[in-house]
Amino acid sequence: KAGVTQTPRYLIKTRGQQVTLSCSPISGHRSVSWYQQTPGQGLQFLFEYFSETQRNKGNFPGRFSGRQFSNSRSEMNVSTLELGDSALYLCASNQGWVNTEAFFGQGTRLTVV
Amino acid sequence: GQQLNQSPQSMFIQEGEDVSMNCTSSSIFNTWLWYKQDPGEGPVLLIALYKAGELTSNGRLTAQFGITRKDSFLNISASIPSDVGIYFCAGDTNAGGTSYGKLTFGQGTILTVHP
Repeated sequence: KAGVTQTPRYLIKTRGQQVTLSCSPISGHRSVSWYQQTPGQGLQFLFEYFSETQRNKGNFPGRFSGRQFSNSRSEMNVSTLELGDSALYLCASNQGWVNTEAFFGQGTRLTVV
Repeated sequence: GQQLNQSPQSMFIQEGEDVSMNCTSSSIFNTWLWYKQDPGEGPVLLIALYKAGELTSNGRLTAQFGITRKDSFLNISASIPSDVGIYFCAGDTNAGGTSYGKLTFGQGTILTVHP
């Protein structure tokens, strides 16, 4: 069974640009969550999608957005990039029900210069 | 907001030694998860705990879900060099609504194993 796949693995962008990251969950999993990981703040929850609907959202500005497709693949978008957006972005795949385990992808390392 | 306090922040041990780390919270969690992360990679799930008092093992790893549902610990026995990495605890309230898909993470324990 394939794991969680995130693309691309690495990105370098300039301030003010926008970026789109992709996540393909484990087959059969309908929930995808996104996290931002930085040395200072640790792992912080961005948002969660289930069956193409955002069910939950963390405390991030509106520049961070996401969507989920009918095949459960998800994308997140960050517009008007700031230097502070440099981080490892992780997605987690989950069946979507209570008491199920979350499995992470390898992450996308975003560097904003 | 919810916070998990994970300790210790770092550990330096000799190969073969046992390791213990724990997480505490002021809030109740209904699921506790333990992850290991290697540099530049995503966290890998080690153990999942779903019931208060539950003790679960995965090879040399043993984790417990505290009775109060506000804490959990992870033990690693007979450490080996490949145990090196950052260990995270994570809690899930499983309360639906604003908890969907949201794990709250501890700050991590950096483990170094000297051969």
